[in-house]
Amino acid sequence: DAGITQSPRHKVTETGTPVTLRCHQTENHRYMYWYRQDPGHGLRLIHYSYGVKDTDKGEVSDGYSVSRSKTEDFLLTLESATSSQTSVYFCAISESLGTDTQYFGPGTRLTVL
Amino acid sequence: GDSVTQMEGPVTLSEEAFLTINCTYTATGYPSLFWYVQYPGEGLQLLLKATKADDKGSNKGFEATYRKETTSFHLEKGSVQVSDSAVYFCALRDPVDAGNMLTFGGGTRLMVKP
Repeated sequence: DAGITQSPRHKVTETGTPVTLRCHQTENHRYMYWYRQDPGHGLRLIHYSYGVKDTDKGEVSDGYSVSRSKTEDFLLTLESATSSQTSVYFCAISESLGTDTQYFGPGTRLTVL
Repeated sequence: GDSVTQMEGPVTLSEEAFLTINCTYTATGYPSLFWYVQYPGEGLQLLLKATKADDKGSNKGFEATYRKETTSFHLEKGSVQVSDSAVYFCALRDPVDAGNMLTFGGGTRLMVKP
């Protein structure tokens, strides 16, 4: 299994509070991704990174920001959480642009009350 | 934009039954196609993939063939087991997209009864 951890694994927070989710990898892979999983929508890409300090938006980036100061860490921040951001968040990594396979972390279940 | 459409579930089968989960796609370029599986409480795992037309991906008794003419990548298994109960996601990677991004279908829940 690819070495990907996510923290926290579960979080309950209130509307309007900031939240940061962390993804950590030990594979030294260049690409990292944040997805959210919602019933009927599968997984949708929020943001991705193609290197340290290099990030770009995905399909559903509004209300989210990311940072990658080290190869191994990719942070997802909700500046002011809303109930619509209640979801399960998955981090994924891939080795290179030419490598199709993405490896997924175990997920973080976030509930915004 | 790119999209993936899967049959809605849940799909409920008895053990040893034949499984088909339909998947069709639209893409700008010539995509790679994937099936991922998610067991309860876990992240997604790659089940199989195909990178060009007429390729067949296979793993753990599951198979899927890349059909360009019908833009489909249906997942099949000849004899399912209770342990196959999970959510299955079809996905594509379009090479015209930057960043190696995956586009997922909505997922199909499979329930296998003893």
